[in-house]
Amino acid sequence: DAKTTQPPSMDCAEGRAANLPCNHSTISGNEYVYWYRQIHSQGPQYIIHGLKNNETNEMASLIITEDRKSSTLILPHATLRDTAVYYCIAFGSGNTGKLIFGQGTTLQVKP
Amino acid sequence: NAGVTQTPKFQVLKTGQSMTLQCAQDMNHEYMSWYRQDPGMGLRLIHYSVGAGITDQGEVPNGYNVSRSTTEDFPLRLLSAAPSQTSVYFCASRPGPTNYGYTFGSGTRLTVV
Repeated sequence: DAKTTQPPSMDCAEGRAANLPCNHSTISGNEYVYWYRQIHSQGPQYIIHGLKNNETNEMASLIITEDRKSSTLILPHATLRDTAVYYCIAFGSGNTGKLIFGQGTTLQVKP
Repeated sequence: NAGVTQTPKFQVLKTGQSMTLQCAQDMNHEYMSWYRQDPGMGLRLIHYSVGAGITDQGEVPNGYNVSRSTTEDFPLRLLSAAPSQTSVYFCASRPGPTNYGYTFGSGTRLTVV
């Protein structure tokens, strides 16, 4: 699976949009971009994933560049409960199930 | 659906003891995985399985055994506990080679003294 690069930490004001970037310049054609988050010491939570089209669900939006070398996770109205570590992972559709986490981005939402 | 259930939630072991961490899912998911997370660190994959009878090693398999005799259960065995295995252990499952995210359990907090 392709390596991803994320900033180690970001801040966001409560009520504003949080835009979390991810670089995956070596992503291959059958690899999806997945986002997970881990709030404090809870189990990680799946957020969203996409291949090449932008995706939106009740939690977030995922914007993938046309060349698929980078993406941005958008939390439209961040709340204090969105403070967490966010992980971006490139994962193939035919993958054997070996999901490897990187270091992620620690998002601190501030009042 | 209960999702992914891990037991126990907390455990203290003495060095050299063995034990089994239990993981069960009721979603008929093919794929299951075990991770450990040391304090202040990221998640590391221990073992994973793509179906009953099929398991493989992850990033940090030493000191752990797994088996997958049923779709529902994926126990993790610590053969001879060491203080270095003090960690939080997470189990996760996914429907299979499809485009779904993994569902994680709430974790087992293990301390080896």
